[in-house]
Amino acid sequence: DAGVTQSPTHLIKTRGQQVTLRCSPKSGHDTVSWYQQALGQGPQFIFQYYEEEERQRGNFPDRFSGHQFPNYSSELNVNALLLGDSALYLCASSSRDHYGYTFGSGTRLTVV
Amino acid sequence: DQQVKQNSPSLSVQEGRISILNCDYTNSMFDYFLWYKKYPAEGPTFLISISSIKDKNEDGRFTVFLNKSAKHLSLHIVPSQPGDSAVYFCAASEAAGNKLTFGGGTRVLVKP
Repeated sequence: DAGVTQSPTHLIKTRGQQVTLRCSPKSGHDTVSWYQQALGQGPQFIFQYYEEEERQRGNFPDRFSGHQFPNYSSELNVNALLLGDSALYLCASSSRDHYGYTFGSGTRLTVV
Repeated sequence: DQQVKQNSPSLSVQEGRISILNCDYTNSMFDYFLWYKKYPAEGPTFLISISSIKDKNEDGRFTVFLNKSAKHLSLHIVPSQPGDSAVYFCAASEAAGNKLTFGGGTRVLVKP
């Protein structure tokens, strides 16, 4: 049973560019959340998608947007990249109304 | 406004001894608490959790204690093993399906 799959594993982008990260949830999960983990810090909640709609959002600017597809997979888009966007981006999936989250291995984004 | 705090950034313990990790929170709406373990280049993996209606939960070598009046929880690992060397994150949620709020993590090193 595949867990949460994220792609790509690593990515290098230039300031001002746009990036799209992808996530496939664990089988049986219908909710996808995205987190940003800066070096030396804990993961910070970006947003959560359920039934193809954004259900919760953390304290992140509108440059961060997302999408969920009918097969529950999800994308995270970041526009106008800043150096400070360099981080590990984690996708977590869960079943609605459950506490347990399964995390992917993350995408390491470096903005230069 | 850091609602979940892990005040010890690192912990070193001898193999076979007890590891005690601490976590404090400020949000009284949190009703579920989780501990995650993270190795480099991997996503966080779920370790153990506790509901706010309990004060202790045990799973093998891992025990989590919750003191609601003090808004404090701790994770005990007994006996500690070299494979336990990792970063441990405390996380909290206000309700099933809601976002997780993470602490900054504690890096544990178990010496053989």
